[in-house]
Amino acid sequence: DARVTQTPRHKVTEMGQEVTMRCQPILGHNTVFWYRQTMMQGLELLAYFRNRAPLDDSGMPKDRFSAEMPDATLATLKIQPSEPRDSAVYFCASGSGTDQGGYTFGSGTRLTVV
Amino acid sequence: AQKVTQAQTEISVVEKEDVTLDCVYETRDTTYYLFWYKQPPSGELVFLIRRNSFDEQNEISGRYSWNFQKSTSSFNFTITASQVVDSAVYFCALSGEVVFGAGTILRVKS
Repeated sequence: DARVTQTPRHKVTEMGQEVTMRCQPILGHNTVFWYRQTMMQGLELLAYFRNRAPLDDSGMPKDRFSAEMPDATLATLKIQPSEPRDSAVYFCASGSGTDQGGYTFGSGTRLTVV
Repeated sequence: AQKVTQAQTEISVVEKEDVTLDCVYETRDTTYYLFWYKQPPSGELVFLIRRNSFDEQNEISGRYSWNFQKSTSSFNFTITASQVVDSAVYFCALSGEVVFGAGTILRVKS
């Protein structure tokens, strides 16, 4: 089965450090989402791309977060500088924008900022 | 604005009982999709179903069934003869940016 690959699976970092999370969407999928999941807020949409163009990143704290798709096979989410409140599981999902089928989620990156 | 409400925070049932998870949504779009996802204890999010707003037919897949009622903006999910392996958090979601509800924790006890 095709899958969305996220790296790293786990990341522990110190406050103030830069964190980069990577996502390899399923080949042929043109829509990519980044979500953050916490106990308090649930699943929050941070950003999403279609055909590599950012369509909405209003859910992201702009001062420290940035999301990019340097090419069709890679999406990145960066946090600089990281803060303890950024601790969460970050999910990437991809899908085909043409049929809006079920989006396939990666296994997530569990980020802990100490 | 789009919104998905899953009023049931947690449900506990005994194995073999039927259970229905409620989902109510709000959208101004005339065309939209609804989804259900399952998040087992391992943490991954597993796609279960997508429903087009034009198609109000109920759907059954094995022990799972979905009841879509546009008139009440609801898209409820029923598990028949629940099993311990059904224990998970279930999320209802709405397109186009895929807004998720808060999730319902389902605990199935043997």
